[in-house]
Amino acid sequence: LAKTTQPISMDSYEGQEVNITCSHNNIATNDYITWYQQFPSQGPRFIIQGYKTKVTNEVASLFIPADRKSSTLSLPRVSLSDTAVYYCLVGLSGGGYNKLIFGAGTRLAVHP
Amino acid sequence: ETGVTQTPRHLVMGMTNKKSLKCEQHLGHNAMYWYKQSAKKPLELMFVYSLEERVENNSVPSRFSPECPNSSHLFLHLHTLQPEDSALYLCASSQPGSTTNEKLFFGSGTQLSVL
Repeated sequence: LAKTTQPISMDSYEGQEVNITCSHNNIATNDYITWYQQFPSQGPRFIIQGYKTKVTNEVASLFIPADRKSSTLSLPRVSLSDTAVYYCLVGLSGGGYNKLIFGAGTRLAVHP
Repeated sequence: ETGVTQTPRHLVMGMTNKKSLKCEQHLGHNAMYWYKQSAKKPLELMFVYSLEERVENNSVPSRFSPECPNSSHLFLHLHTLQPEDSALYLCASSQPGSTTNEKLFFGSGTQLSVL
């Protein structure tokens, strides 16, 4: 399973765009990149998943360069409710269940 | 609402008590998981059941005993716990995928305090 490195914490203000970068230098050819969001005292929630280039949904965008050794989660115009921990997971599940490991994540604090 | 329900939301127990955590998923998924999250620490995968068969046991002490009677229900039986077992216990489910990583759907967790 690929090791990931992300900033421990980030600060932003309401209305700004936030970009959280995750490094995964030893990503394997078949690995996918998945991001989850976790609020205090709740379980993580799936945000977005991608393999290459760019993926966008109603919540966020995921940018993956050609070498796939990093990825960037982009949150447009954050609000106070986006204050949470964001996890980057890299790997490929198999055998009928998800074996990916959660790291420490990035604690995002959005200020008024 | 994620489709995964955990009860109770909060639990306080003594070290000699026996209690059980319950998880139910309404998503038709085939895999269910127990995670432990201690304060300010990453999630730790404890157990995985796939098609009601235990497929992962990550060196969890025997005082934690999982049970999966069917694909919709998962239990975690607790006995003679230690104060360091106090944590948020999270249940999740997923459906096997073919080419991408299965999305995990988590419940809201049980906040456990061991006195």
